[in-house]
Amino acid sequence: QLQLQESGPRLVKPSETLSLTCTVSGGSISTNNAFWGWIRQPPGKGLEWIGTIHYSGGTDYRPSLQSRVTLSVDTSRNQFSLTVNSVTAADTAVYFCARLSRVSTADYWGQGTLVIVS
Amino acid sequence: DIQMTQSPSSLSASAGDRVTILCRASQGIDNFLNWYQQRPGKAPRLLIFSAYTLQSGVPSRFSGSGSGTDFTLTINSLQPEDFATYYCQQSYGSPYTFGQGTKLEIK
Repeated sequence: QLQLQESGPRLVKPSETLSLTCTVSGGSISTNNAFWGWIRQPPGKGLEWIGTIHYSGGTDYRPSLQSRVTLSVDTSRNQFSLTVNSVTAADTAVYFCARLSRVSTADYWGQGTLVIVS
Repeated sequence: DIQMTQSPSSLSASAGDRVTILCRASQGIDNFLNWYQQRPGKAPRLLIFSAYTLQSGVPSRFSGSGSGTDFTLTINSLQPEDFATYYCQQSYGSPYTFGQGTKLEIK
């Protein structure tokens, strides 16, 4: 069974960089027909797609975040990562990593990790 | 961006009831529409993809329909574990936007 687990600092200071890693187990990240992505959810609010990466390195970002977000993949560790630069309180959210089948359908999710900017 | 609007935002129902949640896209998205269920403190769970295809392991009391701009999620014979928040998401084009959610509560 495929499992995803987010890891990284839970508290980030304003103007600094948020960095999270998603470790994939129970399957390979180097699968042609799977994409990997990040989705966030501010406390008490709805879901927001951040971006998607393929193991080959191809990326797709939410335009409103594109200038501050970078996704990367480490196939040797079966991990992919998210960095968000110049964070503000508005970046406070639960961050979920997910496997995306058919490019954009999140069929496996990590448990989520709350990151607070303060 | 494609805007997704769900209605109602909240809904009260009893176990055994049948409920329908609506999702409308700001432009045509063919059948590129997914539905997720999220219980409090948990990650969302994929219920339906491509408007009407049930994800493996999802009970058959869940069903989806629609195409173009208007979509519905129907839950027959509500079970206690179905009281949660439901989100639609368009998978037609980036950025892959979600609806604002519909909270299904026990009456």
